[in-house]
Amino acid sequence: QVQLQESGPGLVKPSETLSLTCTVSGGSISTYYWSWIRQPPGKGLEWIAYIFYSGDTNYNPSLQSRVTLSIDTSNNQFSLKLSSVTAADSAVYYCAGAKQWLSFDSWGQGTLVTVSS
Amino acid sequence: EIVMTQSPATLSLSPGERATLSCRASQSVSSNLAWYQQKPGQAPRLLIFGASTRATGIPARFSGSGSGTEFALTISSLQSEDSAVYYCQQYSIWPLTFGGGSKVDIK
Repeated sequence: QVQLQESGPGLVKPSETLSLTCTVSGGSISTYYWSWIRQPPGKGLEWIAYIFYSGDTNYNPSLQSRVTLSIDTSNNQFSLKLSSVTAADSAVYYCAGAKQWLSFDSWGQGTLVTVSS
Repeated sequence: EIVMTQSPATLSLSPGERATLSCRASQSVSSNLAWYQQKPGQAPRLLIFGASTRATGIPARFSGSGSGTEFALTISSLQSEDSAVYYCQQYSIWPLTFGGGSKVDIK
């Protein structure tokens, strides 16, 4: 298993863009399938989007119009941008990796992002 | 999207008892089904993938079964450390979707 670490602001203002980066260590970014998953406080898990090292992506239709994923293979990082955030986007955001197709065996510790003015 | 429905919402059992958690998909996901365990303040941990294959390091008391639309996670003999919320997730059809979770309490 690789190690994952999310980074980015913990507080974002409404209507602004949430930006998070996941740094991968202990393995190659090209051998896993990567995703962002979020969890509002006290609630369940919601898959946001997927990216492969080739640049192949897939987005949750519920968020697709606001989400952009990118990957930086030279720095072993992938990133999430979520635009026009509202309070409903407040959640713990996890980056996760799957060695087997999209069953996630590696997770970051999660980062709490609060949307508030 | 495929809706994943988990039951029961909460299960309260004593150590050593057997726990069976159910996950139902709104349409067939074949065997593309994973189970996760999540403890408070922690990230989810993969227990089972491919509906029945234990992930690396997962104790043998955890087992998964099912295919198509009906799945189960069984914990053969509950330990105190198994107190957690358990989620199923399908990865057959985009978007990936999770069940709402089943909480296991150890009496």
